[in-house]
Amino acid sequence: AQSVTQLGSHVSVSEGALVLLRCNYSSSVPPYLFWYVQYPNQGLQLLLKYTSAATLVKGINGFEAEFKKSETSFHLTKPSAHMSDAAEYFCALSTGGGNKLTFGTGTQLKVEL
Amino acid sequence: GAVVSQHPSWVICKSGTSVKIECRSLDFQATTMFWYRQFPKQSLMLMATSNEGSKATYEQGVEKDKFLINHASLTLSTLTVTSAHPEDSSFYICSARTSGTGSYEQYFGPGTRLTVT
Repeated sequence: AQSVTQLGSHVSVSEGALVLLRCNYSSSVPPYLFWYVQYPNQGLQLLLKYTSAATLVKGINGFEAEFKKSETSFHLTKPSAHMSDAAEYFCALSTGGGNKLTFGTGTQLKVEL
Repeated sequence: GAVVSQHPSWVICKSGTSVKIECRSLDFQATTMFWYRQFPKQSLMLMATSNEGSKATYEQGVEKDKFLINHASLTLSTLTVTSAHPEDSSFYICSARTSGTGSYEQYFGPGTRLTVT
């Protein structure tokens, strides 16, 4: 069975600082990996996805993530945090095209002045 | 493109009544729709997967007689919570996926907040 672990349920950064949200996965087959963002009382918006092409994936709003097979990680980064980045972030895994998603427990990002 | 809507966005109902939530893909045909449940400050838990024209596949532990899912068309899926109780209060989110190669992406609706009193 596959699983997703997000280290740190809450992360706080200063505006302009680097954002690093950690995601590790476990899967017996090559995974598809996703990062989603959720604002309060809203659905999920896709930030970026890894589907076995380039290991460094660039997404929307300046976010990017790097797939590292040796570390079974897919950490999300952004060079400079903005106040509007404050939200809940979910890492998710799928084991095949169109298969169901397994979500991590989420990381609440707080951006301070 | 790839917009998914849900209706209603929030609903309050009395214990023992049934509530129907609609999930629509507005600009694409969704051969598969997923229903998730999210408790406050928690992650999304998949409840069921529905394919157009066939019965939904429920995840372990989800009561299929309580959470009725219908996917009668390529743009509409409904979730009916029957005989709702306060413990059914939650945030319900649907997602939709197209068919074909490379269709690994799910598009999420904005969610429906259900409160059972």
